[in-house]
This record gives sequence, C-alpha cells and structure tokens, in this order.
Amino acid sequence: KQEVTQIPAALSVPEGENLVLNCSFTDSAIYNLQWFRQDPGKGLTSLLLIQSSQREQTSGRLNASLDKSSGRSTLYIAASQPGDSATYLCAVAGDGGTSYGKLTFGQGTILTVHP
Amino acid sequence: NAGVTQTPKFRVLKTGQSMTLLCAQDMNHEYMYWYRQDPGMGLRLIHYSVGEGTTAKGEVPDGYNVSRLKKQNFLLGLESAAPSQTSVYFCASSYSGTWNGYTFGSGTRLTVV
Repeated sequence: KQEVTQIPAALSVPEGENLVLNCSFTDSAIYNLQWFRQDPGKGLTSLLLIQSSQREQTSGRLNASLDKSSGRSTLYIAASQPGDSATYLCAVAGDGGTSYGKLTFGQGTILTVHP
Repeated sequence: NAGVTQTPKFRVLKTGQSMTLLCAQDMNHEYMYWYRQDPGMGLRLIHYSVGEGTTAKGEVPDGYNVSRLKKQNFLLGLESAAPSQTSVYFCASSYSGTWNGYTFGSGTRLTVV
C-alpha cells in the first residue's frame, strides 16, 4: 500500500526566505506526483504536476523536483511572501493495476510566512 | 468558469438521515473521484469512476454509495448518516491516464449530529 509522508508538518518563516517542503512515498511505481495548495476552509489548488519521467517542474517562484527511485519530491518556494501561507499537500498517482489513477495524499505541511 | 462544482457547500444532518452530494464537471473528464478530508487523516478516497456508468470502491467506501449516470456528474449518497461521516468531502476529476493531473471542487462541509 502506498504511503506518503510530508515533512515538516508545520513551518513558520519570515518573509523573504527560501524554503523547502519535503514529500516521500513508499512505492516508486507512480504515474505522476502533484503538489497542491489548500487555504483554510477552501478546496485544493493544483500548483505543479510532475510526470514520472520528469525530474522537475517550475512555475514562477515554485520549483518541484522528483526522484522516483528514492521515493522523494521537494517543493522549493523562493522569496516567500505572506500570501504563500497555506497548507501544501503532496499526492502521488498510482501507475498500474487497481491503483491506476488514484491519488494517495500526504498529511500536508502547514506553512506560515510572517511579514 | 470551467471546473468542478460541488453542491451543497454546507450541510447539517441528523443521525440516520440520508442525503446526496452532487459533483458536476464540464471538462469532459473521464475519471471522477470522491475524497473525504479529516484532521490528522489527510484525504482518503471513498469511491471513483473511470467512465459513465462505472463505479468502484476506494479506500473508505463503507456507508457510501455512488452513481455516474452521466459523464459530467458523479453523485455521492449517504443512506443513513452517522457522526463518523462528519467530514469535508471533495470531488475531483481527471482525463483518462491522469496526464493532465486532477481538478478539485471546493468541497462540501458535512456535519452529522
């Protein structure tokens, strides 16, 4: 059974810092990995999607990497801003059999960026 | 706006009552999913569908039923609500093959008293 772990569970940083969120998964047979952002009381917003054949994806100040063989992904946020405060979720999609297409989520990292 | 729409957004039920949550997508996605989100448990898959007329069980299907009579709609039913079903429910959809990732609805907050 796939298990996804996110570290740290919570992170508090001053504005302007660069930061890294970590995600690890136990089964390397994944189709893709997706990072989401969730604001309090809101739904999930997709940030970055990395296919299993890719190593990284970038969008603005966000960069996500994937090391499929070691079961790890990182989300790098450059020059953090108070508006980045949210919960960040990592999810992997299974690539075969009964797990195909289904997402397994980590528990999330709660990020707070202080002005 | 294109996307995934969930109704209702909030609901309070009494134990034993029934209700149906509706998910509608206008992106012509084949796959649709129902997840529940609970504190400390993350998001867990309840049921999913890989196309019109098909449904399958996810990780936590007990106490729920689903139907996908039309490609754009995926309904989640609670026949006899229990306090343990108090949660936030999210619907999501994706193209077959998941190449383009998933789009989530804004959620339904359900409280069973």
